[in-house]
Amino acid sequence: KAGVTQTPRYLIKTRGQQVTLSCSPISGHRSVSWYQQTPGQGLQFLFEYFSETQRNKGNFPGRFSGRQFSNSRSEMNVSTLELGDSALYLCASNRLAGGGLPDTQYFGPGTRLTVL
Amino acid sequence: DAKTTQPPSMDCAEGRAANLPCNHSTISGNEYVYWYRQIHSQGPQYIIHGLKNNETNEMASLIITEDRKSSTLILPHATLRDTAVYYCIVCKAGGTSYGKLTFGQGTILTVHP
Repeated sequence: KAGVTQTPRYLIKTRGQQVTLSCSPISGHRSVSWYQQTPGQGLQFLFEYFSETQRNKGNFPGRFSGRQFSNSRSEMNVSTLELGDSALYLCASNRLAGGGLPDTQYFGPGTRLTVL
Repeated sequence: DAKTTQPPSMDCAEGRAANLPCNHSTISGNEYVYWYRQIHSQGPQYIIHGLKNNETNEMASLIITEDRKSSTLILPHATLRDTAVYYCIVCKAGGTSYGKLTFGQGTILTVHP
């Protein structure tokens, strides 16, 4: 099976612009989570989508948003970019086994966003 | 989710076993222990998980103490490619975490020739 794919892999933007990142989960995985990784804050949870609905959200401002499509692919958007938004943005997919079984997230390679 | 404590760094000689400890003293009965690793600037890679029994797969072994308050990840024959940050995470099962994994600072494992 193909793994989680993220596009683009690298992105350079300037302050005030907006950006959209894309994530394609592993085939059959219905849940997609997004994380931000910075040297100062480490890996932090942004939000999770399942069945096109945001079910969970981390402590990030409203400039960070996302959506999920019917084929489980997901996008996240950051508006009005700030220098501090420079980070590695990671997407993870999860099959959601159900029945009390553990859910294992599988991560993509990430998108490196640089804000100038 | 329960919080985990890991040593910030460890060294290991190539070919030897690497034993990475993790403390999760506030773990509750329905929480699993997961291990991931992250090689420089790549996405975290799933290694192994367990509830209360010891687990082994092609990558590593996971030893969980009987009281479940701590665990050890064992890489039986470390190679230079095992140099990475290793994260121990505690997570509820059954989808109740709603996609959220809480990462700590992890342990930087350096494997020396």
